[in-house]
Amino acid sequence: KAGVTQTPRYLIKTRGQQVTLSCSPISGHRSVSWYQQTPGQGLQFLFEYFSETQRNKGNFPGRFSGRQFSNSRSEMNVSTLELGDSALYLCASSLGGFAGNTIYFGEGSWLTVV
Amino acid sequence: QQQVKQSPQSLIVQKGGISIINCAYENTAFDYFPWYQQFPGKGPALLIAIRPDVSEKKEGRFTISFNKSAKQFSLHIMDSQPGDSATYFCAASGGGGSNYKLTFGKGTLLTVNP
Repeated sequence: KAGVTQTPRYLIKTRGQQVTLSCSPISGHRSVSWYQQTPGQGLQFLFEYFSETQRNKGNFPGRFSGRQFSNSRSEMNVSTLELGDSALYLCASSLGGFAGNTIYFGEGSWLTVV
Repeated sequence: QQQVKQSPQSLIVQKGGISIINCAYENTAFDYFPWYQQFPGKGPALLIAIRPDVSEKKEGRFTISFNKSAKQFSLHIMDSQPGDSATYFCAASGGGGSNYKLTFGKGTLLTVNP
């Protein structure tokens, strides 16, 4: 069974640009969530989607947005990039039926903003 | 506001020794407590998880101890091996609309010397 797949794995962007990251969840999983990982702040929750609806949102500015498609694939977008947005962005998926479902992470997309 | 506090930040153990990582939480609505293991360049992988209705859960060399009254839980790695060298994160989720959001500790970098 294929795991959570994220693309691209590495990217470099310039301040002020925008970026879109993609995530394909494990087959059959309907919940997709996104996390930002930095050395200073650790792993922080961005948002979670289930059946194309955002159910939870973390404390990030409106520049961070996401969506989920009918096939459960998800994308997150960061507009007007800032240097502090440099981080590992992790996508995770789970069955999503109830709390406590195992959450599986992808290997992440490394974003560097210069 | 850090809702899950993890210690120590780093830990060095000799091969065959016991590694112990501790976490404390504040939100009494949390009802699911997983531990994740992360190797460099990889996403976090679920190691073991516990619910507050049990005080201990063991899977192979890994044991979670849970103290609901103290709002603390810990990970014990018995017979630690060099291959266990990784960063370990405790996490918690639960509480109505936050059921699908993981709140992570800051992580513990474990080094097991041969």
